[in-house]
Amino acid sequence: AQKITQTQPGMFVQEKEAVTLDCTYDTSDQSYGLFWYKQPSSGEMIFLIYQGSYDEQNATEGRYSLNFQKARKSANLVISASQLGDSAMYFCAMGDISNFGNEKLTFGTGTRLTIIP
Amino acid sequence: DVKVTQSSRYLVKRTGEKVFLECVQDMDHENMFWYRQDPGLGLRLIYFSYDVKMKEKGDIPEGYSVSREKKERFSLILESASTNQTSMYLCASSPRSWDNQPQHFGDGTRLSIL
Repeated sequence: AQKITQTQPGMFVQEKEAVTLDCTYDTSDQSYGLFWYKQPSSGEMIFLIYQGSYDEQNATEGRYSLNFQKARKSANLVISASQLGDSAMYFCAMGDISNFGNEKLTFGTGTRLTIIP
Repeated sequence: DVKVTQSSRYLVKRTGEKVFLECVQDMDHENMFWYRQDPGLGLRLIYFSYDVKMKEKGDIPEGYSVSREKKERFSLILESASTNQTSMYLCASSPRSWDNQPQHFGDGTRLSIL
């Protein structure tokens, strides 16, 4: 079974500072994928970034990067130069990619990020 | 752009009613999912489907059923609604793939059972 742990229920960060949102995972699968989603107060889930377990480089997408440490089973999201619009819930999720047809995801409990002007 | 549409943003129903939540996607995705989201619990998978008429139980299927008669439509059914099913319900879709593709979500349905 897969498990995702997000230990920070809430964070407050000053605007323009960098933010690190923690995510640790547990799985016995050899091949897996890790995702981060953003959920603003309006409710929609927005896909941010993806990292495959076989990827040697950390994923980056604009201001988002994923600090992937496979040995420590962590996949922290880093947001550079935070903006007021970054205030939202953030969810880490993982999926098993060794099993075609089993593309379901396991989600963490989320971190509520608030950016302070 | 992928569009996942849930039929209602807000819904209020009474205990014991049969409730239908509808979800439609326009990207010809094979996989469709229903989650419920509760504070402090994150998203929990109720059911998913990887093909028409196929369904698999997720982590919390009790009290729910699903229907997928057409590829683009995935319905969640609360057979006899109870107050503990008051929650936010999210539908998602993704293509079948060896390499994880992100799931695309609808805007959610906030369901209240009175």
